[in-house]
Amino acid sequence: AQKITQTQPGMFVQEKEAVTLDCTYDTSDQSYGLFWYKQPSSGEMIFLIYQGSYDEQNATEGRYSLNFQKARKSANLVISASQLGDSAMYFCAMRVKLAGGTSYGKLTFGQGTILTVHP
Amino acid sequence: KAGVTQTPRYLIKTRGQQVTLSCSPISGHRSVSWYQQTPGQGLQFLFEYFSETQRNKGNFPGRFSGRQFSNSRSEMNVSTLELGDSALYLCASSFFSGEAFFGQGTRLTVV
Repeated sequence: AQKITQTQPGMFVQEKEAVTLDCTYDTSDQSYGLFWYKQPSSGEMIFLIYQGSYDEQNATEGRYSLNFQKARKSANLVISASQLGDSAMYFCAMRVKLAGGTSYGKLTFGQGTILTVHP
Repeated sequence: KAGVTQTPRYLIKTRGQQVTLSCSPISGHRSVSWYQQTPGQGLQFLFEYFSETQRNKGNFPGRFSGRQFSNSRSEMNVSTLELGDSALYLCASSFFSGEAFFGQGTRLTVV
């Protein structure tokens, strides 16, 4: 079974500063993917960034980067130059590659971190 | 490229009724998964369909069912609604890479 732990229920950051949202995961599988999603109050789950377990480089997408430390089983999200529109709930999630190697299992989510960006 | 489309966005139903939610995945995506989100339980996996077959199922009662059509569109049905079924229902579509993209969700309120 997989487990995702997000230990920060809420985080505050000043506009234009960087912020790190923590995520640790637990799995005995070797092949898996790690995700971060943003969920504004509208409810839509917005895909931010993806890291495969065999990717050697940390994933980056614009202002988002994923600090992947495989040995520590952590996948922290770094948001640089925070903007007011970044205020939202952020979820870390993972899914493992199933036997046979052509498909993935369900997404397992953490409890989320509410990020508030102050002007 | 159009994203994942879920309809309707909002629904109010009475206890005991049934409801059908629809999800159209991104073009070319054959996998559709459904998740229920509640304040108390967080995000929970309902089921996944791939090429019209249910490939994976979560721990929900039989009142929750789904299907997928040949064009990859999926429907989710909940029969005999209970107050506890009030939730945001999210649908995600995936290609082979494992990345999952969500729709805007359907917010179901059972009264």
